[in-house]
Amino acid sequence: GQNIDQPTEMTATEGAIVQINCTYQTSGFNGLFWYQQHAGEAPTFLSYNVLDGLEEKGRFSSFLSRSKGYSYLLLKELQMKDSASYLCAVRDSNYQLIWGAGTKLIIKP
Amino acid sequence: DADVTQTPRNRITKTGKRIMLECSQTKGHDRMYWYRQDPGLGLRLIYYSFDVKDINKGEISDGYSVSRQAQAKFSLSLESAIPNQTALYFCATSDLFGDQETQYFGPGTRLLVL
Repeated sequence: GQNIDQPTEMTATEGAIVQINCTYQTSGFNGLFWYQQHAGEAPTFLSYNVLDGLEEKGRFSSFLSRSKGYSYLLLKELQMKDSASYLCAVRDSNYQLIWGAGTKLIIKP
Repeated sequence: DADVTQTPRNRITKTGKRIMLECSQTKGHDRMYWYRQDPGLGLRLIYYSFDVKDINKGEISDGYSVSRQAQAKFSLSLESAIPNQTALYFCATSDLFGDQETQYFGPGTRLLVL
């Protein structure tokens, strides 16, 4: 079966750095996505990785290792508005997105 | 104005009733999707459409049907609603830029089936 694993919940402090991990087992791989979802709102696109390595976009970075079936999302200089769920999704061999359950990130002052 | 809209935003219905959730987009995208989201679970794909003449079942299509009336409109129907269809439903559209396909989500419809 296909599986995406992420921690259910994480807590971090405003101004700090947090790393949210995602491991996947899918039938094929055609890219990995990270989305942000604030409570009661729609998911919004954050990042896309298809090759191994780190993609940096402002305070957010995403890393991929295809051989390990592993990705992480790194958030720096945390702000209260970063409190949200972070969804990892993998596009499989049929180009369908398989979604993780999401990691709820709680930011404390 | 929002690029992807959904109506209604909230709906309460009774078991056995037929209901329709509607989705409209102004992004000009060919690809449209219907997902449901349940607490503790990832988004699950119900149906998707790559153009007006193309409809495909997703992971959990049983109990649902769809209609792609135009490029901009994609409706989801529950023919006979049951309580375990209580969920948050999202419509999404996508474009393909090179290898990257980004999905854009509507605001969601909260459905409660009593």
